Amino acid sequence: KNEVEQSPQNLTAQEGEFITINCSYSVGISALHWLQQHPGGGIVSLFMLSSGKKKHGRLIATINIQEKHSSLHITASHPRDSAVYICAVRAGGATNKLIFGTGTLLAVQP
Amino acid sequence: EPEVTQTPSHQVTQMGQEVILRCVPISNHLYFYWYRQILGQKVEFLVSFYNNEISEKSEIFDDQFSVERPDGSNFTLKIRSTKLEDSAMYFCASSRSYTGAANTGELFFGEGSRLTVL
Repeated sequence: KNEVEQSPQNLTAQEGEFITINCSYSVGISALHWLQQHPGGGIVSLFMLSSGKKKHGRLIATINIQEKHSSLHITASHPRDSAVYICAVRAGGATNKLIFGTGTLLAVQP
Repeated sequence: EPEVTQTPSHQVTQMGQEVILRCVPISNHLYFYWYRQILGQKVEFLVSFYNNEISEKSEIFDDQFSVERPDGSNFTLKIRSTKLEDSAMYFCASSRSYTGAANTGELFFGEGSRLTVL
């Protein structure tokens, strides 16, 4: 079983729709990262959070530590949001590595 | 905006050859990483480097892999004798602080180096 699970694996939306991507993890963590991977392969960090909620523009990330769950929301989606969205966690303790989920492939159609 | 740069963007090599992938992390960052992504699979941790030494490595990072920060700016990953299964996208990343730190733990990734082993 993967330590980090994302759902859905694939998501198609119409421009303007509100989008939610979910991440569940089975290990204790000290931080959770949301990342975006472009079609060409490059990876960009969107959020790093350990509690509560963060917002950047049209993106909102929330985390519930007790339930071991995080969500990434995109409001007013646009075709340029099409990408793979990846959840990654830093486990508690001395480790500094991130454990990645398999990603959610989002396609926003005009 | 500062960025992590990687070279080459794509390298094709024959099985058994040595490969060196190069990275220039962001200048005031202290933690450096290599991750890899085999086509169609998730990103996997290889190694982290701090204070001029390996701080953590995965089971994948066996004796054929090595990392070096030869001159205070470059950070390299060497694969001594490549195998077919080493074909992947290799990502270099850096962070100002450890990956759990509230404001400085964000990872910055390079665009990746695609390695194809024939």
